[in-house]
Amino acid sequence: QVTLKESGPALVEPTQTLTLICTFSGFSLNTQGMRVTWIRQPPGKALEWLARIDWDDTKLYSTSLKTRLTISKDTSRNQVVFTMTNMDPLDTATYFCARARGELTLNNYYYYIDVWGRGTTVTVSS
Amino acid sequence: DIVMTQSPDSLAVSLGERATINCKSSQSILSSSTNKNHLGWYQQKPGQPPKLLIYWASTRESGVPDRFSGSGSGTDFTLTITSLQAEDVAVYYCQQYYTTFWTFGQGTKVEIK
Repeated sequence: QVTLKESGPALVEPTQTLTLICTFSGFSLNTQGMRVTWIRQPPGKALEWLARIDWDDTKLYSTSLKTRLTISKDTSRNQVVFTMTNMDPLDTATYFCARARGELTLNNYYYYIDVWGRGTTVTVSS
Repeated sequence: DIVMTQSPDSLAVSLGERATINCKSSQSILSSSTNKNHLGWYQQKPGQPPKLLIYWASTRESGVPDRFSGSGSGTDFTLTITSLQAEDVAVYYCQQYYTTFWTFGQGTKVEIK
C-alpha cells in the first residue's frame, strides 16, 4: 500500500523559509518510473502544481515560483524535502505531496498522480 | 502553460440522476507519442486529499465504482457520474499531464438537489 505523509510547521512568519518533508512508504524513489510532486491549495481555491522530483533525480519547478523553490530526495529515508523561501501571506495553503507513477512508452516515462498525502496546512502570518 | 477550464462551477443533481462535468484544455493534450489523452480526473471530499478517479482521460482507477466514467479527446473532456450517490458529493478536478508543467481545472462542486 502506497502512503505519503507531509510534515512541517503549521505557522511561518513572512519572509521566512518553509521546509516540508514528505515521508512515503510502499514504493521507492530509486525505482524507475517513480516521481514525487508537491501541490498546494489555498483555502477555498483550486490546486496548484509546484515541483517534482523523479527517480533519476530530475527536478522541475513551477515557472512562477522557481526562484523560491527547492526539492530534494533522501532515498535511504524514503523522504522528499521541499523548501519555499521568502514566504508571504499569499502562500497560506494546504500543501500536498503526491506520488506519480510513470508508464513507459517508446523509451519515455509519462507520469500521472495516483496517490496523495493528506496534506499539511501552512499559515503565513506574523 | 495549458489552461484547464471546467464547467459548470457547481451543479446540483438528484440522487440516482446523472451528473456531467466538462473540462476544456487551451490546447490539445492528445499525445502522438502515446496516442493517449494526458488527462486525469480527481475527486476531493471536504477535509480530504484528492483521489484519482480516471487517468488517460477514460481509464478508471482500480477500485473506483463503474458509475464514474471519462470521455473526450483533444481539448474537450467529460466526467460522468451515471447514478449520483450521496457519497459522491465532492469537488471534482481535471488535470493535464501533457506538458511538463501540470495544470488543474478550477474545480466543479457537485451537490445533491
